[in-house]
Amino acid sequence: KAGVTQTPRYLIKTRGQQVTLSCSPISGHRSVSWYQQTPGQGLQFLFEYFSETQRNKGNFPGRFSGRQFSNSRSEMNVSTLELGDSALYLCASKSTETNTEAFFGQGTRLTVV
Amino acid sequence: GENVEQHPSTLSVQEGDSAVIKCTYSDSASNYFPWYKQELGKRPQLIIDIRSNVGEKKDQRIAVTLNKTAKHFSLHITETQPEDSAVYFCAARTYNQGGKLIFGQGTELSVKP
Repeated sequence: KAGVTQTPRYLIKTRGQQVTLSCSPISGHRSVSWYQQTPGQGLQFLFEYFSETQRNKGNFPGRFSGRQFSNSRSEMNVSTLELGDSALYLCASKSTETNTEAFFGQGTRLTVV
Repeated sequence: GENVEQHPSTLSVQEGDSAVIKCTYSDSASNYFPWYKQELGKRPQLIIDIRSNVGEKKDQRIAVTLNKTAKHFSLHITETQPEDSAVYFCAARTYNQGGKLIFGQGTELSVKP
């Protein structure tokens, strides 16, 4: 099985711009979660999508949004970028069975200048 | 709110020694506790997990213990090797929160030859 794939791997954006990141989960996995990883804050949960619906949401401003498509691929969008949004954005997919492992993608490194 | 505290933030051991990393969680409804290893520039990868109905789990040189009463869980690595050097994250998931993982702040483990 192919693993979790995130595109692009690297992005450089200017303050005020918006960005869209993509995540393709492992085949058959319907849950996709997004995390922001920074040196100071560690791994913080952004949101989770399941069957095209947002199931959980973390404590991030409304500039951070996402969606999931019928093939379980998910996108995350950040509008009006700020310097503090520079981070590694990771997505993770898991099967629908309870208490199973979440598999992470390699992440998208976003730099806001 | 939900929180996972992880200690220590850095840990340096000699090759062959044991390493212990401890986590405390706040949500008593948490029932799944994974540990992830993240090498520099790579994705987090699951190394071991434990469910709330189990007190201890071992996999070769790695073990995890869970004390539900105290809301503590710990990672034990025996006979450490230089390739164990990485950042380790503990996490907790609550049964009714889907795929949402709350992560500890991470422990940077350095194993000196």
